[in-house]
Amino acid sequence: QSVLTQPPSVSGAPGQSVTISCSGSRSNIGARYEVHWYQQLPGTAPQVIIYDDTNRPSGVPDRFSASKSGTSASLTIAGLQAEDEAVYYCQSFDRVVTASLFGGGTKLTVL
Amino acid sequence: EVQLVESGGGLVQPGGSLRLSCAASGFTFSNYAMYWVRQAPGKGLEYVSAISSNGNSTFHAKSVEGRFTISRDTSKNTLFLQMDSLRAEDMARYYCARGAGSGWYRKDYIDHWGQGSVVTVSS
Repeated sequence: QSVLTQPPSVSGAPGQSVTISCSGSRSNIGARYEVHWYQQLPGTAPQVIIYDDTNRPSGVPDRFSASKSGTSASLTIAGLQAEDEAVYYCQSFDRVVTASLFGGGTKLTVL
Repeated sequence: EVQLVESGGGLVQPGGSLRLSCAASGFTFSNYAMYWVRQAPGKGLEYVSAISSNGNSTFHAKSVEGRFTISRDTSKNTLFLQMDSLRAEDMARYYCARGAGSGWYRKDYIDHWGQGSVVTVSS
């Protein structure tokens, strides 16, 4: 079981918004370490979509946004599109493990 | 264009060894930390090993500590993962990945990934 906990699945209709949570602890997100988010489309390698809590790499639509509060972080995808169907992972540094960890991943289904 | 191309995966018996390689191109290899991240079939991502840009510092997850060794050869722009005493639970796709260079290598995020090399452990 991952130290960073994500819901196994979320779903939404096209055009709607969904939020994916990433729950950590005082040794990672709560210690103000940066949170990064990755999208893994079926059959492909993951790609970063949010880095350093809230920043989007060039080419990532502004429909993707993220926030952080306390020991948790969240990724919001607005205006859902069929192409957003993927697995999403959060990542953060943990000072007990002294390395980065990934969340367990959340599968997004676009209805 | 950054390219990371893994090789060396395959079928190995439990207790056996494999050496994965990752040929890097399109960037100055010696300037970036590198990683191995694995994904078991139908499972999530696991941060396996990391190496600093100069190769002087490494990290291995507890699940592989003492069995896996990450290394890099700057003259060949190549990252390696020596995997010994392989177990069934090591069976996964192993991704080579590059750090973005935004801080300490163990905290950094990954900005480029290879397509992965599949390791199968079975008798």
